[in-house]
Amino acid sequence: EAEVAQSPRYKITEKSQAVAFWCDPISGHATLYWYRQILGQGPELLVQFQDESVVDDSQLPKDRFSAERLKGVDSTLKIQPAELGDSAMYLCASSTAGGPSTDTQYFGPGTRLTVL
Amino acid sequence: KQEVTQIPAALSVPEGENLVLNCSFTDSAIYNLQWFRQDPGKGLTSLLLIQSSQREQTSGRLNASLDKSSGRSTLYIAASQPGDSATYLCAVMGGSYIPTFGRGTSLIVHP
Repeated sequence: EAEVAQSPRYKITEKSQAVAFWCDPISGHATLYWYRQILGQGPELLVQFQDESVVDDSQLPKDRFSAERLKGVDSTLKIQPAELGDSAMYLCASSTAGGPSTDTQYFGPGTRLTVL
Repeated sequence: KQEVTQIPAALSVPEGENLVLNCSFTDSAIYNLQWFRQDPGKGLTSLLLIQSSQREQTSGRLNASLDKSSGRSTLYIAASQPGDSATYLCAVMGGSYIPTFGRGTSLIVHP
């Protein structure tokens, strides 16, 4: 069964350092989402791509976060510089974009970020 | 702005009980509602998706209902098992095609 791949699974960094996360969606999925999930809370959407275009990045802290999906396939989320409050689980999801009513999101295993 | 609330926040039950988890949302202009399961430290696993035109969906021991006009969905788990222990999250796909999640219900089923 096809899965969403993410790496690394765990990342420990010091504040002010740069970090990058990678996501490879299920083959053929046009829509890709990046979420941040703080312990005990639901996922919060950071950025949504349709192919290589950004659909929504209204919740992305653009002073330190950036995301790209250059060829409309895999994607990278970067934080520079990292802050203590960025410690969270970063989740990637993809969907087929077959239509908003039937679009099922499939999630990867996530990257647990700890900022010291 | 869409807000999603899940009640209760936590639930602990003995094995075999039938359970109801609740999800409410403030803006009824949605395309679909999806229920997920999340095990500790893991990603989310899709359980059921209900389209806005549907009233319910069933998968095995799970049944999800949707009342769009009142902004509510319930997830019914029949004959709960210890393996059902996890956090259950609901997410609505709003009219702007932006998904919004609730904070989840943490479920423990003890033998």
